[in-house]
Amino acid sequence: QVQLVQSGAQVKKPGASVKVSCKASGYTFIDYYIQWVRQAPGQGLEWMGWINPDSGGAKFAQGFQGRVTMTTDTPTTTVYLELTTLTLDDTAMYYCVRGSGVSYSIGDYWGQGALVIVSS
Amino acid sequence: NFMLTQPPSVSESPGKTVTISCTRSSGSVADNSVQWYQQRPGSAPILVIYEDDQRPSGVPDRFTGSIDSSSNSASLFISGLKNEDEANYYCQSHYKSVWVFGGGTKLTVL
Repeated sequence: QVQLVQSGAQVKKPGASVKVSCKASGYTFIDYYIQWVRQAPGQGLEWMGWINPDSGGAKFAQGFQGRVTMTTDTPTTTVYLELTTLTLDDTAMYYCVRGSGVSYSIGDYWGQGALVIVSS
Repeated sequence: NFMLTQPPSVSESPGKTVTISCTRSSGSVADNSVQWYQQRPGSAPILVIYEDDQRPSGVPDRFTGSIDSSSNSASLFISGLKNEDEANYYCQSHYKSVWVFGGGTKLTVL
């Protein structure tokens, strides 16, 4: 069965960087994009961007450009999200999502989420 | 780009039918598929409708979706409401590989 298993909770100080992992299993890794979506406490869903595990190509939401990196490690079927220059507003649950269908626009499987807390 | 607008909250009694709307601000709702996600407290979202009106396997047929070009909106219908349907629901569409989410609707089952 398809599974996306994410890394655990992390606490970071303002100005630091954070790296979240997402291990995929149960399907052909390179056939689907991985999208990243975050959710601040009590707030809605915010799309961050995607990565194509086959080519390594990526696209980021405008608000994260210059501060976000997405990478893949095909042998371990793991995708990474790195966010730099953290502020208190980056405190959120970060989800990896398998993108399927036309334009990989359907989030058919979600990771359990990785909580990132930014606190001084 | 465009925005998707949802009502912040809806409520209905068990056994009834509820409708959650999702209005697209510009461009046609028919141009790009709409998905719906259910998120219960403390859990990750799950897909309940994709490509406007398709239901993933395992999702009860009480959940249906549609789009209406005249109002430029998508709708999620949940019939035979159960207490377990109480959750936040998000619509999502896309444009040039960019995902757009609605603000979410909190469904309360009275």
